[in-house]
Amino acid sequence: KQEVTQIPAALSVPEGENLVLNCSFTDSAIYNLQWFRQDPGKGLTSLLLIQSSQREQTSGRLNASLDKSSGRSTLYIAASQPGDSATYLCAVRPNSGGYQKVTFGIGTKLQVIP
Amino acid sequence: EAQVTQNPRYLITVTGKKLTVTCSQNMNHEYMSWYRQDPGLGLRQIYYSMNVEVTDKGDVPEGYKVSRKEKRNFPLILESPSPNQTSLYFCASLRAGANVLTFGAGSRLTVL
Repeated sequence: KQEVTQIPAALSVPEGENLVLNCSFTDSAIYNLQWFRQDPGKGLTSLLLIQSSQREQTSGRLNASLDKSSGRSTLYIAASQPGDSATYLCAVRPNSGGYQKVTFGIGTKLQVIP
Repeated sequence: EAQVTQNPRYLITVTGKKLTVTCSQNMNHEYMSWYRQDPGLGLRQIYYSMNVEVTDKGDVPEGYKVSRKEKRNFPLILESPSPNQTSLYFCASLRAGANVLTFGAGSRLTVL
C-alpha cells in the first residue's frame, strides 16, 4: 500500500527566506504527484501537478520537483511571504486505479513570520 | 463560478441523530469523492462515485452512506453518528480524464 510522508510536519521561517518542503512515497509506480495548499476554514487548492514523466513544474515563486525512482518530491518556495502561511499537502496518484486511489500526505504546516 | 459547495459548513449534533452533508458541483464532473481529515492521519477517502448511480467504498466507509442520483450531487449520510465521526469532511470532484481535483471548503462535524 502506498504511504506518503511529509517532512517537516511544521515549519516557521522569517519572511523572505527560501524554503523546501519534502514529500516521500513508498511505491514509485505513480501516474502523477500533486501539491495542494490548505488554508484554515477552506478547502484544498491545487498548486502544481507533476506527471510521472516530468522532473519539475514551476508556477511563479513555486517550483516542484519529482524524483520518481527515489520516491521523492520537493516543493521549493522562493522569497516566502506571510501570505504563504498555510498547510501544504502532497498527493500521489498510482499508475493503476485512477483518482479513487490517490494517497495524501499529512501535510507540512508553514508559518511565515513578518 | 466553478465550484464544489458543501453544506453545512459547521455542525454539532448528538450521537444517533441522523444527518446528511450535502455536496454539489456545477462543473458537470463525473467523479466525486468524500474524504475525512483527522489530525495525524491526513485525508482518508470514505466513498467515491465514478458517475451517476455508480458508487464504491473508499478506505474508511464504516458508518457512512452515499448516493449519486444526479450528476451534480453527492450527499454523505450518517445514519447514526458516533463521536468517532467527529472530523473535518471534504467533498471533491474531477472531470473524467482530467488530473486536478476540485475540493469543497469543508464541513466540520462534531458528534457529542
